[in-house]
Amino acid sequence: DVKVTQSSRYLVKRTGEKVFLECVQDMDHENMFWYRQDPGLGLRLIYFSYDVKMKEKGDIPEGYSVSREKKERFSLILESASTNQTSMYLCASSLDHYNEQFFGPGTRLTVL
Amino acid sequence: KNEVEQSPQNLTAQEGEFITINCSYSVGISALHWLQQHPGGGIVSLFMLSSGKKKHGRLIATINIQEKHSSLHITASHPRDSAVYICAVRSNTGNQFYFGTGTSLTVIP
Repeated sequence: DVKVTQSSRYLVKRTGEKVFLECVQDMDHENMFWYRQDPGLGLRLIYFSYDVKMKEKGDIPEGYSVSREKKERFSLILESASTNQTSMYLCASSLDHYNEQFFGPGTRLTVL
Repeated sequence: KNEVEQSPQNLTAQEGEFITINCSYSVGISALHWLQQHPGGGIVSLFMLSSGKKKHGRLIATINIQEKHSSLHITASHPRDSAVYICAVRSNTGNQFYFGTGTSLTVIP
């Protein structure tokens, strides 16, 4: 079974803090994704990566950056957290562009 | 403008009822996904389809490419089916995924 894990289930941070969310997959998938999910808006793609050190902006990249130094790990970075970044963050991975995505359990981030 | 529209947004059913959730999309696609999300939980992929029909247990997914429409059916619904069901499509012109806002299903015993 594919396993996608995220570093925290719940996180509380203060405005202006730097926040790291980590995602690890164990199935040698090429593609990894970061989404945020907000009520009434559904899932929105922040960034995705199709290879190590490669990244592409999604629909809402502003205020975020990502890092993929190793194939199995994809990190989402909030350089200076703001209250409007309070959300559920979901990581996903897929073997390639033609296969389904497998999702992690999500991290519920609250920025105070 | 949402590329993927789902209906209904909320659905309450009695245990045992037959349930249908609809998904319409406006872009050309290479695949459509149905996802399930339980409260507080992660997302699980139920189906990936690009044509026809797929069945898994009590779940059936159909897609009509010409009409740009898909349906997810649940037969003999059960309270454990209570979840949010999300339709997602992969564009055929790039790497983009588009997601519906989800249908929240509650099945009452």
